Amino acid sequence: AQSVAQPEDQVNVAEGNPLTVKCTYSVSGNPYLFWYVQYPNRGLQFLLKYITGDNLVKGSYGFEAEFNKSQTSFHLKKPSALVSDSALYFCAVRENFNKFYFGSGTKLNVKP
Amino acid sequence: EAGVAQSPRYKIIEKRQSVAFWCNPISGHATLYWYQQILGQGPKLLIQFQNNGVVDDSQLPKDRFSAERLKGVDSTLKIQPAKLEDSAVYLCASSLDQGGTQYFGPGTRLLVL
Repeated sequence: AQSVAQPEDQVNVAEGNPLTVKCTYSVSGNPYLFWYVQYPNRGLQFLLKYITGDNLVKGSYGFEAEFNKSQTSFHLKKPSALVSDSALYFCAVRENFNKFYFGSGTKLNVKP
Repeated sequence: EAGVAQSPRYKIIEKRQSVAFWCNPISGHATLYWYQQILGQGPKLLIQFQNNGVVDDSQLPKDRFSAERLKGVDSTLKIQPAKLEDSAVYLCASSLDQGGTQYFGPGTRLLVL
């Protein structure tokens, strides 16, 4: 069974507009949820994580994500997109027993 | 603080040859991970070490892949013999402990011809 899904292969947004990159999960127990960003020819960089507490998590570069338990979602958001935000974004989930699963990635294109 | 180091950055080999990748995690990180990332896909966990012990290698093709972390610090991942479908980026990551935030190295891009 797919543990984490990113339903959009690509998201296009104009610079200055808000952006959302979607992620849903399906794991047992209480998940740890992560967002990573990957720039061309570089490794993954940690953006933010949710473990417990406030459902709205703030991370690096002005990104934030909202944990929604009823919808089993952890969407990544930013109020105002920058061209430099263009990259590949991965959602990841840690199940019980410390197993990690990554989504298939969403390519974000921010146009000037 | 130095990040996760990996070498080589690129490798081209012919099928049936062997290849080895090296990873040096962030100092003090007990947990080390090797991932395979095929073009257009998310990273797939191959093996996870806690210090020098294997925690999870359920997705490691053990007939051709092997990995070790003998002293609980550096790690090597080997493929022998390589197949065309092994062409991918091999990512190493480390975390302070199991389940913690993972920090990734730049990866080794492998092309098998």
